[in-house]
Amino acid sequence: GAVVSQHPSRVICKSGTSVKIECRSLDFQATTMFWYRQFPKQSLMLMATSNEGSKATYEQGVEKDKFLINHASLTLSTLTVTSAHPEDSSFYICSARDREQGDTGELFFGEGSRLTVL
Amino acid sequence: GQNIDQPTEMTATEGAIVQINCTYQTSGFNGLFWYQQHAGEAPTFLSYNVLDGLEEKGRFSSFLSRSKGYSYLLLKELQMKDSASYLCAVQDGNYQLIWGAGTKLIIKP
Repeated sequence: GAVVSQHPSRVICKSGTSVKIECRSLDFQATTMFWYRQFPKQSLMLMATSNEGSKATYEQGVEKDKFLINHASLTLSTLTVTSAHPEDSSFYICSARDREQGDTGELFFGEGSRLTVL
Repeated sequence: GQNIDQPTEMTATEGAIVQINCTYQTSGFNGLFWYQQHAGEAPTFLSYNVLDGLEEKGRFSSFLSRSKGYSYLLLKELQMKDSASYLCAVQDGNYQLIWGAGTKLIIKP
């Protein structure tokens, strides 16, 4: 199946610093990628939809100035957590669909990035 | 509003069969997904149903009834490695994915 690579898998940072997480589709092109956040024992929470070549669409309650998303190419989207604080510690997961499959079909997930802010 | 309901936790015995139910209420429907998620890992795809009926894939089967807003995931010949959370997700009329909270499945020897 298609592969989505997400890096880094784990990151520990000090409060106030910024962290960038990359999401790459390795063998397909994705016009849209999705960024999720998951707290322990909870389900996935969609943060934003990343659109190639245009601004991301953020879900209600997600601060766009804090969670910067850039989707510069059909295979790469980045999420930057700016001025991270301990409450931002979470498991961040990206996913993407093969653009040839349109809006249906399987969502391919990255491995996830566990962020710990001290 | 839109919502997905599935049991929080289930326990089953190795070698047995377990059925995880999912009911949904969404604005429109464009398919239902089941994903498996092991602790600390990203979800992996299990099945996709868009028409009524049963889809079988090895030890796993998924059923859909659109008129009842209901699906189940059936796991046969349970193995210890099947211990995980199982997420039900529905694609609504705008192709937005609505996620259930997940069912944690515990397999006992």
